[in-house]
Amino acid sequence: QQQVKQSPQSLIVQKGGISIINCAYENTAFDYFPWYQQFPGKGPALLIAIRPDVSEKKEGRFTISFNKSAKQFSLHIMDSQPGDSATYFCAATLLNGYNKLIFGAGTRLAVHP
Amino acid sequence: AAGVIQSPRHLIKEKRETATLKCYPIPRHDTVYWYQQGPGQDPQFLISFYEKMQSDKGSIPDRFSAQQFSDYHSELNMSSLELGDSALYFCASSFGLAGETQYFGPGTRLLVL
Repeated sequence: QQQVKQSPQSLIVQKGGISIINCAYENTAFDYFPWYQQFPGKGPALLIAIRPDVSEKKEGRFTISFNKSAKQFSLHIMDSQPGDSATYFCAATLLNGYNKLIFGAGTRLAVHP
Repeated sequence: AAGVIQSPRHLIKEKRETATLKCYPIPRHDTVYWYQQGPGQDPQFLISFYEKMQSDKGSIPDRFSAQQFSDYHSELNMSSLELGDSALYFCASSFGLAGETQYFGPGTRLLVL
């Protein structure tokens, strides 16, 4: 059972466009929701993260929107660039001293010039 | 800035052999996590350590064991290797049990023939 469901599986966006990736979670106890970016052959790198007491967080071209009642959160990449082409994973965890990350299945983003 | 170091980066083993993966966390980080990522899949949590004690356990096979040493580095020992163990193994580190951000290493790519 996938505790964190991510969609779409793959996404193609033109340069300058907006990339949107969606995630939904099951466990209402989750209290930390990071997004990781992974390039082929590399380890995941933290992109941006949000806590459930905030509905939106923006860092540069990256924005997380969080809907606690719907148990959904999404990543928006504004002005998408070819260098953003990577696999993006949403994740959720419980910051209770265990902190294991539960990942979504990943979205492979391709930004075409 | 210093990052998480993993060794070896690539490893080829035969079925039923053993393998040892090493992880050196970011200096002053006292918490280590191990994840396994199959081809085209999301990382799956295996096990974690805080201050040299196991803090959480995920879907880690009984054939695998791990420990964290006094210098906070960690080793993942894998015995009786199976073809299905072929994957990328990531180590991540954080500061403290409540540390939000997990920093991932570059991974060890294990191929079992």
